[in-house]
Amino acid sequence: AQTVTQSQPEMSVQEAETVTLSCTYDTSESDYYLFWYKQPPSRQMILVIRQEAYKQQNATENRFSVNFQKAAKSFSLKISDSQLGDAAMYFCALYYGQNFVFGPGTRLSVLP
Amino acid sequence: GAVVSQHPSWVICKSGTSVKIECRSLDFQATTMFWYRQFPKQSLMLMATSNEGSKATYEQGVEKDKFLINHASLTLSTLTVTSAHPEDSSFYICSASYGTYGETQYFGPGTRLLVL
Repeated sequence: AQTVTQSQPEMSVQEAETVTLSCTYDTSESDYYLFWYKQPPSRQMILVIRQEAYKQQNATENRFSVNFQKAAKSFSLKISDSQLGDAAMYFCALYYGQNFVFGPGTRLSVLP
Repeated sequence: GAVVSQHPSWVICKSGTSVKIECRSLDFQATTMFWYRQFPKQSLMLMATSNEGSKATYEQGVEKDKFLINHASLTLSTLTVTSAHPEDSSFYICSASYGTYGETQYFGPGTRLLVL
């Protein structure tokens, strides 16, 4: 079975600082994608970043970047220069063959 | 781009009635749409996957006759909660897949259902 684990139920970061959210996964598939989604209080799920497993280069989207360690099955999200609007639940997700598996989420608080 | 709408955003109904929720991909064609249920402070629970023109694939434990899914076109999928009961009260989210392999999901804003 494919699983996604987020070991940090809650995290906090000072505004303008950097924070890293952890995610590990388990899959026997060779072709898959990994995602980070953000769910703010509005509950709208927003795509933050995606990574193709066959790409060695880590994905980057402005202040958001990932550290993809394929052999270790690790996919962490780094948020630089944290802003108050980054406060949300963050879900790590795995996609393979029309199947999506979401992690339990990490609640991020940003302190002014 | 890649906008998904969901309607209604809020619905309150009496026990025993049926409720229909619509999910539309506004600016792209979605071969596959997904329906999730989310309990407070929990992750998304996949209910079913629907492909345009074919029957939905339900996850284990999800009652097909309770949660009717129709995917009539490449831009519209509907979820009907039949004979709703208070335990069906929840937040329901749809998503539509996008990308070369349908690997990226874009989500609707969700529907909050309260059954009295």
